[in-house]
Amino acid sequence: GAGVSQSPRYKVAKRGQDVALRCDPISGHVSLFWYQQALGQGPEFLTYFQNEAQLDKSGLPSDRFFAERPEGSVSTLKIQRTQQEDSAVYLCASTLDVGETQYFGPGTRLLVL
Amino acid sequence: AQSVTQPDIHITVSEGASLELRCNYSYGATPYLFWYVQSPGQGLQLLLKYFSGDTLVQGIKGFEAEFKRSQSSFNLRKPSVHWSDAAEYFCAVGPFSGGYNKLIFGAGTRLAVHP
Repeated sequence: GAGVSQSPRYKVAKRGQDVALRCDPISGHVSLFWYQQALGQGPEFLTYFQNEAQLDKSGLPSDRFFAERPEGSVSTLKIQRTQQEDSAVYLCASTLDVGETQYFGPGTRLLVL
Repeated sequence: AQSVTQPDIHITVSEGASLELRCNYSYGATPYLFWYVQSPGQGLQLLLKYFSGDTLVQGIKGFEAEFKRSQSSFNLRKPSVHWSDAAEYFCAVGPFSGGYNKLIFGAGTRLAVHP
């Protein structure tokens, strides 16, 4: 079956632009996570959804970062007024149920110039 | 605070040789431990996980890992490496608080395989 998909796969933005990154989890998966992976580093937790509820946003680095999952399926991570330090790969993961194994998408590579 | 350390940034082995990737963690309670592999342009794939029970865990692709509480380690091993194993490997610890696994990853170990 289809795995987690993310779009776009690559995004180049000028500093100050707003970007929106999309995650399509595996159908029926309850939980959804966003991670940020800087070059040469491991992924770092950004935020967590259970269905449409955002239960943990402790990892969002600033108020320029905003995530939503309005219908409990597709999620969008929005970054306003992008900065060079936002350049990273943004990974999305979903789980069938709370506490289950996380399945990761291929990520969106964001480059801010 | 919880953390994961992977001491080896880069490892090179010959095809057919054995492999051990090191992982040390800092966590206040019994951890949930994971090993993921990431190939270029691909998402993270779970190799194996430890929640409780037998401390030697078998995973996919012939990998295994051993949880050693006394050493706070969860090293990944494979008896004979294949060229297709070249990738980046991440160890992670999952605080299971609030009913979900907020994974904390190490910085990764990049594995190169010589023919």
